[in-house]
Amino acid sequence: GEDVEQSLFLSVREGDSSVINCTYTDSSSTYLYWYKQEPGAGLQLLTYIFSNMDMKQDQRLTVLLNKKDKHLSLRIADTQTGDSAIYFCAENDILTGGGNKLTFGTGTQLKVEL
Amino acid sequence: DVKVTQSSRYLVKRTGEKVFLECVQDMDHENMFWYRQDPGLGLRLIYFSYDVKMKEKGDIPEGYSVSREKKERFSLILESASTNQTSMYLCASSPQGMAGGYTFGSGTRLTVV
Repeated sequence: GEDVEQSLFLSVREGDSSVINCTYTDSSSTYLYWYKQEPGAGLQLLTYIFSNMDMKQDQRLTVLLNKKDKHLSLRIADTQTGDSAIYFCAENDILTGGGNKLTFGTGTQLKVEL
Repeated sequence: DVKVTQSSRYLVKRTGEKVFLECVQDMDHENMFWYRQDPGLGLRLIYFSYDVKMKEKGDIPEGYSVSREKKERFSLILESASTNQTSMYLCASSPQGMAGGYTFGSGTRLTVV
């Protein structure tokens, strides 16, 4: 079955860049996603990338996709304390009846230190 | 503001009780999902539904059932709650298209004692 892996923890200093990595197994995934979860809240969609793209930039966020190695990364520039959260990578699978089902990684806890 | 609403933020139930977790979305989405979230395990799919009265098992359906009588509402049922079902439960919905991903509710933290 599908599998998505992430490291569990990342600690960075405020103002530095953060890079969160993810590997996935399903080469047929059409979209790959990054979600953010703040304490006590549900998941919020941060960004997504179509599988025929190598890179997508959205303000402080840069997503890099290496389809050959099935590796996805999220770079956060100028990391702030408000970026402290759990970040989930997800890949999509197409449902028989239409729509999509996402498989999530374990999440990476990002801690931003002053 | 579009949203997915889960009826309770916190619940405490006794072992053996029947528990209902309710989820309502106002976006006319076809697909709805129930996940549980546990530390170090990420999100695991319990059940999902891609149409009214349709349901599909996810990766960990044992001990759970679901109901989708109306498009906007997807209920998760714990037939006989057990302590190993203590967890954070997250509901999500998505439209038929693939882009955009899911919209999540705020979650229900269930404790079974």
